[in-house]
Formats: sequence, C-alpha cells, structure tokens
Amino acid sequence: DTGVSQDPRHKITKRGQNVTFRCDPISEHNRLYWYRQTLGQGPEFLTYFQNEAQLEKSRLLSDRFSAERPKGSFSTLEIQRTEQGDSAMYLCASSWYEGEQFFGPGTRLTVL
Amino acid sequence: DQQVKQNSPSLSVQEGRISILNCDYTNSMFDYFLWYKKYPAEGPTFLISISSIKDKNEDGRFTVFLNKSAKHLSLHIVPSQPGDSAVYFCAASAQSGNEKLTFGTGTRLTIIP
Repeated sequence: DTGVSQDPRHKITKRGQNVTFRCDPISEHNRLYWYRQTLGQGPEFLTYFQNEAQLEKSRLLSDRFSAERPKGSFSTLEIQRTEQGDSAMYLCASSWYEGEQFFGPGTRLTVL
Repeated sequence: DQQVKQNSPSLSVQEGRISILNCDYTNSMFDYFLWYKKYPAEGPTFLISISSIKDKNEDGRFTVFLNKSAKHLSLHIVPSQPGDSAVYFCAASAQSGNEKLTFGTGTRLTIIP
C-alpha cells in the first residue's frame, strides 16, 4: 500500500504524559500536513512542512506541541504534558506541489 | 469564526435519487475548493475539487458547482448508492489546494435502500 500511513492508530495516555505520533507520507510528495479533528467538527489545520522546512504553524499549536520532518520524509508530532483537551483524532496528509491532499487513517488520542 | 459552513448536519436520500450537499464560505481569498468523504475510523478521502476559475466540475457520478458571487458550492451525487453513506466535508484553501485546508463541520449522508 503506497498511501499515507500513521502510527499508532490508537493511543491512550494519562494526563501529564508525553506522546509521539509518526506519519509516513506518499513517497513522492514534498508537502506534509498535520490536522486535528474533534467530535462533530471538521479537521483543523495544525502545521505543514515543505520538504524538511516547517512553513506554517496554527495558533492551535501550543508550546506543548512540536513537529519535525527530518530529511523531508516521515514526520513526528509530539505532545508534551498531555491534557484532557488534547483528546482528538490527529490526521496527517501529504501532497505534491500541484494537487489535492491525501490523508492517512489518523491516530486517535485519548487522555485520561 | 467558521469560514466554511455546512449548515445541514445530516441528509437522507433514497437510493437512485440525487443527493445535494451544500457549503458556504466567507473568506474571499479562498480560490480552491474540495470535497472529502469520510467513513468511521478512516481518514478523509478526496472526492472532487474545483478551482475558482470554473463554475462546474464533473467526475462520474459527482459534480461540484461553484457560485462565487454567493460564496456557495454544492456537491451533487447522482444516482445515489448505498456505498455513498458517509460524512462529507467541504474544504477550501487560498492557494490552489496546496496551502492549509479549512474544513466545514461535515454533513452525514445516509442513502436509504
């Protein structure tokens, strides 16, 4: 399967713990996006990379959130000191310069 | 501030009939619009898009119409099939679909056999 993959698919953690998610984009895509979706809402933009450069971050991305894309391939999203409000589906998408964004299956985070 | 609005949370349509999903936007900078379909426990799947230089784009059973003056777009599915039952999201971007997408809240479409 050559689509966008995300790992893990589900994560349950206790408040205050750190979590890290991974996204592997479609191999020829140079742009990678992170979104967050909560119940009853559409996905909300968090940040995106072009190759290894992080070009934009939403104000939704507090100081506890950090994203990286070393070598312009896979990306990680880390949340430090998780809070119950961080519970959501975290979606990764990738695209080429010209074209639509393709989404992965998401990582569902539950913070207890 | 909801820049992309889908005012119908749900819609039920008889199999074989036309499904029409609506979307309104407020940001005049949006120039590219997309529809995504989402099944439970999966990520959104791209369906169809339209650039602001067009007013219609068709792909098989799916047609998207754009009315720029009204800041309104719609997705037509004809004929509707049971497999079309899903949540549909309208999304918009300000630069040909490769900048961040702003999504609506979705419309749950149920096709009745």
